[in-house]
Amino acid sequence: DTGVSQDPRHKITKRGQNVTFRCDPISEHNRLYWYRQTLGQGPEFLTYFQNEAQLEKSRLLSDRFSAERPKGSFSTLEIQRTEQGDSAMYLCASSLDWAANEQFFGPGTRLTVL
Amino acid sequence: GQNIDQPTEMTATEGAIVQINCTYQTSGFNGLFWYQQHAGEAPTFLSYNVLDGLEEKGRFSSFLSRSKGYSYLLLKELQMKDSASYLCAVKERDDKIIFGKGTRLHILP
Repeated sequence: DTGVSQDPRHKITKRGQNVTFRCDPISEHNRLYWYRQTLGQGPEFLTYFQNEAQLEKSRLLSDRFSAERPKGSFSTLEIQRTEQGDSAMYLCASSLDWAANEQFFGPGTRLTVL
Repeated sequence: GQNIDQPTEMTATEGAIVQINCTYQTSGFNGLFWYQQHAGEAPTFLSYNVLDGLEEKGRFSSFLSRSKGYSYLLLKELQMKDSASYLCAVKERDDKIIFGKGTRLHILP
């Protein structure tokens, strides 16, 4: 399968713990996006990368959230000191480049904070 | 500021036609997307409009009016499998993509 993959698919953690999610985009896709989605809502933009450069981080995102894409391929999203309000589906998407008209989404990581 | 509005829910009958509207106010405009999302699954791409007019793709068509900040998704010959959420999303000038809250479409037999 050559689509976008995310790991893990599900994560249950206790409040205060740190979690890290991984996203592997489609090969040769330069753009990578992270979104958060809660039930009944559309995906909420978190951050995006052009190759290894992080272009923007949502103002809604607290300092507990950090993302990296060190070699311009896979990306990681870390949440420190998780809170119950962080429970959501975390979606990763990739596109070929800035001009691409289509994003391909991964299956998501569902985070539950107890 | 950024604002994308679409109806929360709609209901239609199998075999019928339904139009899902989307209005937007965003920081710049580089195109509008429609995505389909079944419950518990990731969004899948349906259409992209950057110029005014109607784009047709099989049973689905998407329309854009940039001057009015308005788009719609038209679904024809509805099938039960079309029951899903439909997400309107705008690509801003900096290529950031902002999603609306989605429209849950229920198809009745």
